Amino acid sequence: AQSVTQLDSQVPVFEEAPVELRCNYSSSVSVYLFWYVQYPNQGLQLLLKYLSGSTLVKGINGFEAEFNKSQTSFHLRKPSVHISDTAEYFCAVRGGTGGFKTIFGAGTRLFVKA
Amino acid sequence: DADVTQTPRNRITKTGKRIMLECSQTKGHDRMYWYRQDPGLGLRLIYYSFDVKDINKGEISDGYSVSRQAQAKFSLSLESAIPNQTALYFCATSDSVGPGVGEKLFFGSGTQLSVL
Repeated sequence: AQSVTQLDSQVPVFEEAPVELRCNYSSSVSVYLFWYVQYPNQGLQLLLKYLSGSTLVKGINGFEAEFNKSQTSFHLRKPSVHISDTAEYFCAVRGGTGGFKTIFGAGTRLFVKA
Repeated sequence: DADVTQTPRNRITKTGKRIMLECSQTKGHDRMYWYRQDPGLGLRLIYYSFDVKDINKGEISDGYSVSRQAQAKFSLSLESAIPNQTALYFCATSDSVGPGVGEKLFFGSGTQLSVL
């Protein structure tokens, strides 16, 4: 079955430092990849998505992610984080053995410290 | 106004009670979903519907049922609530127009359900 593994459950980081949130997925066929963000007491909203084309995808709020097919990874990065980036981040995959369904990872809580 | 609206925002109920969570959307999307979120487990799909006459089970449908009353309305029912159904529930819609097309999900603000 399709699965998504987020390698870190929590990532503490100081303000203005770079951050990488790691995501690996299981699939031998083409899939679509997503990162969603959930701010406190809110629903999820799309940060960025990879459908095809360039493996480096830019999203909102200065985030970007790189699709690596050989390593089946889709890590999320930001060169300089802000306090307001404190949130939970979910990697998700659609397609492959999951078909039409979007499968989510367990989430990574990013905590930005002053 | 929110594009995807869930009611209620919070609900506390007792074991054995019947509960209905409601979701309505103004986005005009055909596809609607119910997910539950548990700490450390991410979001898991309960049911999904690709149009008014189409209802499908997700990963964890046991103990739940759904009704798609109209294109814009998709409700989730717990016929006899139990404590391990305590979770944050999200309704979502999507704008996919066909198979093989990338799909962005639009989420409601969630319903926090506590079963005592």
